Amino acid sequence: KQEVTQIPAALSVPEGENLVLNCSFTDSAIYNLQWFRQDPGKGLTSLLLIQSSQREQTSGRLNASLDKSSGRSTLYIAASQPGDSATYLCAVKAVSNYQLIWGAGTKLIIKP
Amino acid sequence: IAGITQAPTSQILAAGRRMTLRCTQDMRHNAMYWYRQDLGLGLRLIHYSNTAGTTGKGEVPDGYSVSRANTDDFPLTLASAVPSQTSVYFCASKLGHRATDTQYFGPGTRLTVL
Repeated sequence: KQEVTQIPAALSVPEGENLVLNCSFTDSAIYNLQWFRQDPGKGLTSLLLIQSSQREQTSGRLNASLDKSSGRSTLYIAASQPGDSATYLCAVKAVSNYQLIWGAGTKLIIKP
Repeated sequence: IAGITQAPTSQILAAGRRMTLRCTQDMRHNAMYWYRQDLGLGLRLIHYSNTAGTTGKGEVPDGYSVSRANTDDFPLTLASAVPSQTSVYFCASKLGHRATDTQYFGPGTRLTVL
């Protein structure tokens, strides 16, 4: 059974720092991996989607990498800002049932 | 309407009562989903619909039912609510099943069952 883990559960860093969020999954049979952002009391917004054949995707200050063989993905945030404060979730689309399997998220706080 | 709307925003419900959570999208997306989000856990899929007229069970379907009479609406019904169904419920939709398609989420419904 596919399991997705995100460590740490929470992270607090000063503004301006570059940071990395981690996501690991147990089964490498995936179609893609996505990173989402969730703001308090709101729904989720897709940030980046990496196909299983890709190694990374970039959008602005965000860069997501995928190492399918080791079951790992990282989300790199450059020059963090207070507006980046949110919970970041990763999800993999499993080959077995074509559904998204989610991690519990990392709550990120950027201190001004 | 722009995107996905959910109603109500929040609800407190007595155990044993019937409740329907509403979800409407105006993007003409084919696929729709219901998830629940509990503290410390990832989102878990309750039910899904790949297209109007069809539905399927997700990871945690017990105690819930859905219908998909048309493209836009995907209501989730709790026939007899129990306290373990206290959660935040998210509805999502997706255009199709291409590898690049991503899900769009509603703002959620916070449900408390007492």
